[in-house]
Amino acid sequence: AQSVTQLDSQVPVFEEAPVELRCNYSSSVSVYLFWYVQYPNQGLQLLLKYLSGSTLVESINGFEAEFNKSQTSFHLRKPSVHISDTAEYFCAVSETDKLIFGTGTRLQVFP
Amino acid sequence: DAMVIQNPRYQVTQFGKPVTLSCSQTLNHNVMYWYQQKSSQAPKLLFHYYDKDFNNEADTPDNFQSRRPNTSFCFLDIRSPGLGDAAMYLCATSRDVLAGHTDTQYFGPGTRLTVL
Repeated sequence: AQSVTQLDSQVPVFEEAPVELRCNYSSSVSVYLFWYVQYPNQGLQLLLKYLSGSTLVESINGFEAEFNKSQTSFHLRKPSVHISDTAEYFCAVSETDKLIFGTGTRLQVFP
Repeated sequence: DAMVIQNPRYQVTQFGKPVTLSCSQTLNHNVMYWYQQKSSQAPKLLFHYYDKDFNNEADTPDNFQSRRPNTSFCFLDIRSPGLGDAAMYLCATSRDVLAGHTDTQYFGPGTRLTVL
């Protein structure tokens, strides 16, 4: 069975600083990978996904993630964060017809 | 806009009193999911429907049931809520399963359940 590890439960960072949220998954022949963001008292919103093709995927709000098969990682990065990026971020991997979620990383952006 | 709708957003019930949470979708997706999310935890899949086929997770308590009367609607029934069932309940949909993998899941805003 697949598993997802998000080692950092909380990441504090100042506004306009770069950030990386780490995600590692257990190996598989092929995987679909996702990053979701959750704002307080809301559902999860898809941030970006990797299904196939280019290993670097980007979102419309400046986040990017790189699929690294050899390291079984799918880290999320942003070169300059905003206060509004404060949220919970979940990495997920597909397993047949289900998603397996990591435990989440709380990104806290300070002014 | 096509979307996933959950009603109500906040639900308060009494210990042991049955409660039903509702989810509807305008995406015409084949698959609908119910998750339970407790504070500061990842969503935990309870069950899902692939069209009319019901798929229960092995560790989902019998206290939780679900109905999908048609493509658009799916309900979560908690027969006898306990204090430990207080959580956010998230509904999600996906168009289909692609080459053995779930397609992108689209989530509703959730229903926060309080049990008194």
